[in-house]
This record gives sequence, C-alpha cells and structure tokens, in this order.
Amino acid sequence: NAGVTQTPKFRILKIGQSMTLQCTQDMNHNYMYWYRQDPGMGLKLIYYSVGAGITDKGEVPNGYNVSRSTTEDFPLRLELAAPSQTSVYFCASSPGWNEQFFGPGTRLTVL
Amino acid sequence: GENVEQHPSTLSVQEGDSAVIKCTYSDSASNYFPWYKQELGKGPQLIIDIRSNVGEKKDQRIAVTLNKTAKHFSLHITETQPEDSAVYFCAAPDGQNFVFGPGTRLSVLP
Repeated sequence: NAGVTQTPKFRILKIGQSMTLQCTQDMNHNYMYWYRQDPGMGLKLIYYSVGAGITDKGEVPNGYNVSRSTTEDFPLRLELAAPSQTSVYFCASSPGWNEQFFGPGTRLTVL
Repeated sequence: GENVEQHPSTLSVQEGDSAVIKCTYSDSASNYFPWYKQELGKGPQLIIDIRSNVGEKKDQRIAVTLNKTAKHFSLHITETQPEDSAVYFCAAPDGQNFVFGPGTRLSVLP
C-alpha cells in the first residue's frame, strides 16, 4: 500500500492564481481530511469528508473548496491565492473515528 | 467545541533522561486521545493512543496516562534517544473530527 499520497510536493503561486492540491489514498478509508500547518504551529482543519459525495467545513475553510467524487480522491482547490495561504498542507485519511494516516504534505508559497 | 492546550511548547532533555508532555482538554465527554509524532519534513504519525476506559497504556519506551477527572492526559518517553527528537502533538475529539494541540518540540541532546 502506498498509503496517502499528495501532489505536488512544492509549489509557488502568484497572488490571484488558482491551483488544486491532489490527495489519494489506497486504504479504502471513508474519512478524509485537509489540514494546514503554519510555521511552528499546530494543525488547523480546512475541510473533511466522511464518504464519497459528502464534505463539510472545518475550522478554516475560507478561500478553499473540496470535492469527493470517489473514496480514493479528495482534492483541495485554492481560488484566488493570497499570501495568507502560504503554508504546508496535509491530507489525511481514517477508517473511522480513530487513527489518522497523514500524507507527506505540500509546501505552498504565495508571492 | 473542544479546546486542547499542550505544555511545554519546547523541551530539551539529555539522552537517556525521561520526557513528559501534558495536554488538557475541555469536553468531559471526550473518550479517545491520540499522540502523534512529526519528524522534520514529514506528516504526523500516530505513536500511541488511549481510550477513556483505561488510565494508562504503554508501548515499550512510550506511555500515555489519562486523568478523566482533571481532563488531562500525558505522554511519557523514557530512556530518550536522539531519534526521539521531533514535534509531538496531542489531539482530542470534536464532533466527527479532532482538535490538535499546538505541539511540543522535543530535543534530545547527546
């Protein structure tokens, strides 16, 4: 099993550009999550999904959108990138309400 | 919603000594408490967890204790080694999700 994979690993965006962060898991987990981690800080939940077709907002959803058309994929869309979205983004999956498996992260810089 | 505090924010210990990190939570109904380790440049990884029906759980050099009355749980690492240097996060349930503590940066000095 590859676990949770994220692409790209690094990305630099200009203010106002858009992009999609990809996340795929091969563990058949129902639950998937997107977090952002600012330097020296903890994890803030952006969006989560409890199954295909179901998504909901977390603590910091503004400026982001998600979709969950399949169990495996949970892409995160940034529209009109802003410097405040400079962060490391982690995707995670879970079989239920317990251990979360994290991807390696995407380091995003908005200039 | 749930509120999680974590102390200390940084901790330096000599190799071979013990390290203790404490977290407090606010929701008395919470019943599952994981600890994650994040190495530099990587995603967090679960190292130990505890459910509210037990007061302590141990896995080799790592243990977690839970005090439900006081609403706090602690991570204990004994005989620390250089590879224990990392950032450690606690978490507590918040509805269908988890709230993470701000993290503790542990440095094990040779």
